[in-house]
Amino acid sequence: NAGVMQNPRHLVRRRGQEARLRCSPVKGHSHVYWYRQLPEEGLKFMVYLQKENIIDESGMPKERFSAEFPKEGPSILRIQQVVRGDSAAYFCASSEGTGGHQPQHFGDGTRLSIL
Amino acid sequence: AQSVTQLGSHVSVSEGALVLLRCNYSSSVPPYLFWYVQYPNQGLQLLLKYTSAATLVKGINGFEAEFKKSETSFHLTKPSAHMSDAAEYFCAVSDPQGGKLIFGQGTELSVKP
Repeated sequence: NAGVMQNPRHLVRRRGQEARLRCSPVKGHSHVYWYRQLPEEGLKFMVYLQKENIIDESGMPKERFSAEFPKEGPSILRIQQVVRGDSAAYFCASSEGTGGHQPQHFGDGTRLSIL
Repeated sequence: AQSVTQLGSHVSVSEGALVLLRCNYSSSVPPYLFWYVQYPNQGLQLLLKYTSAATLVKGINGFEAEFKKSETSFHLTKPSAHMSDAAEYFCAVSDPQGGKLIFGQGTELSVKP
């Protein structure tokens, strides 16, 4: 039973390019969350999606960042025109339902490096 | 608004010694609390969760945590440290409406032989 799958594990981009990070949730989970981890820091919430809907994007930068979770296929976090400050580990998590008691299951992350 | 504070960014113990990692929370409503562990270059693995049932929660790998409302604490303990426990540990509180987790800054645990 596969857990949360993220790809790629490592992604290198030059400044100004686009980065696309993919996340396939645990089978049967319809709630997806994206978090960012900067060096020496904890995880910061970015966005919460259900199938085809953005529920909470209060942690997303207003520009260059977008996320989707289509009816079919993985969730995508897209960063346009990347800058050095976007270098971080990006983690996806999924849960079976809503409600604060539902544990979130995490993938191994995508480590984004900007040259 | 919910928040979490982890006291001590680095904790070092000897193998076989007690592990105590501290977590204090702030919440306007009864909280849901979680401890996660992160090994190098990996994602977060759930150790245990508190969801308003028993105040002493047992998790995986011999860890447990006690919810103390009067102290707004949810400290993580393990009676006897093992070398394989060396990792980063995160305490988190859940948004009461569901959705996002609010994480502490993390505590790196080192275990000396």
